[in-house]
Amino acid sequence: GESVGLHLPTLSVQEGDNSIINCAYSNSASDYFIWYKQESGKGPQFIIDIRSNMDKRQGQRVTVLLNKTVKHLSLQIAATQPGDSAVYFCAEAQTGANNLFFGTGTRLTVIP
Amino acid sequence: KAGVTQTPRYLIKTRGQQVTLSCSPISGHRSVSWYQQTPGQGLQFLFEYFSETQRNKGNFPGRFSGRQFSNSRSEMNVSTLELGDSALYLCASSLAGATTNEKLFFGSGTQLSVL
Repeated sequence: GESVGLHLPTLSVQEGDNSIINCAYSNSASDYFIWYKQESGKGPQFIIDIRSNMDKRQGQRVTVLLNKTVKHLSLQIAATQPGDSAVYFCAEAQTGANNLFFGTGTRLTVIP
Repeated sequence: KAGVTQTPRYLIKTRGQQVTLSCSPISGHRSVSWYQQTPGQGLQFLFEYFSETQRNKGNFPGRFSGRQFSNSRSEMNVSTLELGDSALYLCASSLAGATTNEKLFFGSGTQLSVL
């Protein structure tokens, strides 16, 4: 079955620094990838997505990189702020299948 | 525009009981998915409904079931509760579902505790 794993369960960064959260996936047939942010007591919140025909996509202060060769996904957050403290999940999906497979999550802590 | 609404927010049940959770999707969204979130297993897909039809089901026992109504609202039911069913149950909606690679919008979840 699919396996989406994260390299680091926790990450602490200083406010203002850049953060990089990594994710490995195992299903080479997955063609859609999403990053979610989950704050305490809330459901996951969509951050950014990328399709397999792209290597990079940028949003506001966030960039997602996709390396299909090694089945690796990363989320870069620029100028990390205290409000970015949360658990971040990567998820993968395959066109034709209407469910997401989530990674185990990385807890990002921003130190003021 | 209202987000995904899940009720109740918290539930406490005992083993052997059954429970029904409710989800109201974002207006206009026809796909509703359910996920179970636990510290040990993370987020796991339960099932997805579109236009009152279950399109996909995850690897959960038959005690977990769901349905969708004509107004796209959805319910999930867990019968004969077990301690391991304690989890945060999340509902997500989208216009047509992940088949078309659309964003899922999640509710805040129902925290179920089985004693």
